[in-house]
Amino acid sequence: DQQVKQNSPSLSVQEGRISILNCDYTNSMFDYFLWYKKYPAEGPTFLISISSIKDKNEDGRFTVFLNKSAKHLSLHIVPSQPGDSAVYFCAARSIQGAQKLVFGQGTRLTINP
Amino acid sequence: DAGITQSPRHKVTETGTPVTLRCHQTENHRYMYWYRQDPGHGLRLIHYSYGVKDTDKGEVSDGYSVSRSKTEDFLLTLESATSSQTSVYFCAISDPDREQQYFGPGTRLTVT
Repeated sequence: DQQVKQNSPSLSVQEGRISILNCDYTNSMFDYFLWYKKYPAEGPTFLISISSIKDKNEDGRFTVFLNKSAKHLSLHIVPSQPGDSAVYFCAARSIQGAQKLVFGQGTRLTINP
Repeated sequence: DAGITQSPRHKVTETGTPVTLRCHQTENHRYMYWYRQDPGHGLRLIHYSYGVKDTDKGEVSDGYSVSRSKTEDFLLTLESATSSQTSVYFCAISDPDREQQYFGPGTRLTVT
């Protein structure tokens, strides 16, 4: 039972354009949503998060949008840069659970020059 | 960067042998986690710890055990390694007042 889903395994975007990564979830008990970025042979690094009581959080080129009624969140990267090429994981934290995170399968983003 | 190290970084072992992976932190964070990363599955939680000697099972705990005798160290043991345990293993840490977890560099384990 996949509680957090990233349905696009890969995404290719031209440099300078907007990248939009999507994530869907099923558990209404999630109170925080996070995005992590992962380069090959490295551990995931935290990128941005959003509380379930908000619908938008922005940090520089990165914005996360949350649509609770649709149980959907998205990460927007504007403008996309070559260094943004990585695997992006969506994660969610349950208020029930000892700080545990549930991760999606990941989306590989490639930024083309 | 959070002070998290994992050892070894790479290991090849044979089916049926015991394997122990170590996670060491210098941040004095209360929570520690072990995940495995596999293609098509993202990161899946194996075991976690919410304090010294306090551990619990995650989503994919079968075949794994853990121990935490000190705040800074969290050990993951494969009692008898199987080929299905070939994976990349990540340790993570967090504190109760922050929602994010910080990850170590990973251990690539191959069971032949």
